Amino acid sequence: KNQVEQSPQSLIILEGKNCTLQCNYTVSPFSNLRWYKQDTGRGPVSLTIMTFSENTKSNGRYTATLDADTKQSSLHITASQLSDSASYICVVSANVAGTYKYIFGTGTRLKVLA
Amino acid sequence: GAVVSQHPSWVICKSGTSVKIECRSLDFQATTMFWYRQFPKQSLMLMATSNEGSKATYEQGVEKDKFLINHASLTLSTLTVTSAHPEDSSFYICSATTSDSYEQYFGPGTRLTVT
Repeated sequence: KNQVEQSPQSLIILEGKNCTLQCNYTVSPFSNLRWYKQDTGRGPVSLTIMTFSENTKSNGRYTATLDADTKQSSLHITASQLSDSASYICVVSANVAGTYKYIFGTGTRLKVLA
Repeated sequence: GAVVSQHPSWVICKSGTSVKIECRSLDFQATTMFWYRQFPKQSLMLMATSNEGSKATYEQGVEKDKFLINHASLTLSTLTVTSAHPEDSSFYICSATTSDSYEQYFGPGTRLTVT
């Protein structure tokens, strides 16, 4: 069964600190993995997208890693800011006979405190 | 970059009435659009997938007669919640993809409150 699990479910950190969010998946056939940031009451915004052959991808203070062998990904946030408070969603795509299926994780709710 | 808009951004309606939500791709042609609903503190749940010019494919448990989806053009899809009830109150989000890319572009969402 295609599944995406994220941990932790929620996280509170102080401004300026770093944090790492985890995503484990059992999706086949794997096409790509994306991390989204979703502010409260808004639609998700793409942070990074990685295909099978990519191990690391950065977008400013966000760095995503992918281990296709262990089917794990992480999102590392450096020097957190108050504006990083949001839900972070891991989405894994499967390409089934030319049609993309998107499997969503349950998300990690991050709260950055001053 | 590709932009997807939704209208309205929020709507309040009375129980029993119908509400239409629009999803538009502003600067690209969307061959496929997806409709999601999201309850507080939960992730997005796929409701249906629609391809331009054909009937939408609904996920298990989603009533197609209650949630009417029309994808009349490559830039517009609509979701109509018919005979809305308070339990239909939710955050509805659409996304769009093109035929030559796996990138999924999300709209800003529509908050529906049924009183």
